[in-house]
Amino acid sequence: NAGVTQTPKFQVLKTGQSMTLQCAQDMNHEYMSWYRQDPGMGLRLIHYSVGAGITDQGEVPNGYNVSRSTTEDFPLRLLSAAPSQTSVYFCASSKQSATNEKLFFGSGTQLSVL
Amino acid sequence: AQKITQTQPGMFVQEKEAVTLDCTYDTSDPSYGLFWYKQPSSGEMIFLIYQGSYDQQNATEGRYSLNFQKARKSANLVISASQLGDSAMYFCAMREGSNAGNMLTFGGGTRLMVKP
Repeated sequence: NAGVTQTPKFQVLKTGQSMTLQCAQDMNHEYMSWYRQDPGMGLRLIHYSVGAGITDQGEVPNGYNVSRSTTEDFPLRLLSAAPSQTSVYFCASSKQSATNEKLFFGSGTQLSVL
Repeated sequence: AQKITQTQPGMFVQEKEAVTLDCTYDTSDPSYGLFWYKQPSSGEMIFLIYQGSYDQQNATEGRYSLNFQKARKSANLVISASQLGDSAMYFCAMREGSNAGNMLTFGGGTRLMVKP
């Protein structure tokens, strides 16, 4: 079972570069989200989607774009990377956006912006 | 105000002893879910246990149990018979019914270190 797959696992960018973090899930989950985790801290929500074609902002959306053209994929785009975006990024999914639905997480992408 | 507060940045526990990790939450929503995740040094997020706001009994999953005190808005994780493999970061999180998308809000985490 693949679950939630994130690529790449590691990435180094220069300030101003753009890139896309890929996320795919094979569980037919409606709800997908992106979180960032800064050193020694909990996860903060960047963007989320409750279904194909529907996205919304989370707590820390600035500098990131998302789209959801299919149920399976939810890419995160960094438009112009900044050192403040150095972090570990997690993609997560759940069957639906209900209070009792646990999130399944990908293995994370460690991003460094120089 | 912080929605999820974990007041213990780090804790030590002796192998085979029980340990309690604290979590308090803040919500006015009557419908919510509380989750605990474990993050070992390898980085992945592992779901441990869930407690719903309407659940009458405390949740249990193997060596993990949740001490849910609704009036005090606390949801402490109890790990019985600690093992060396329990050394990790532990995160408490909440999903609220009224939040659009029911996004999961995390606390800052507690680093647990199990001593042999």
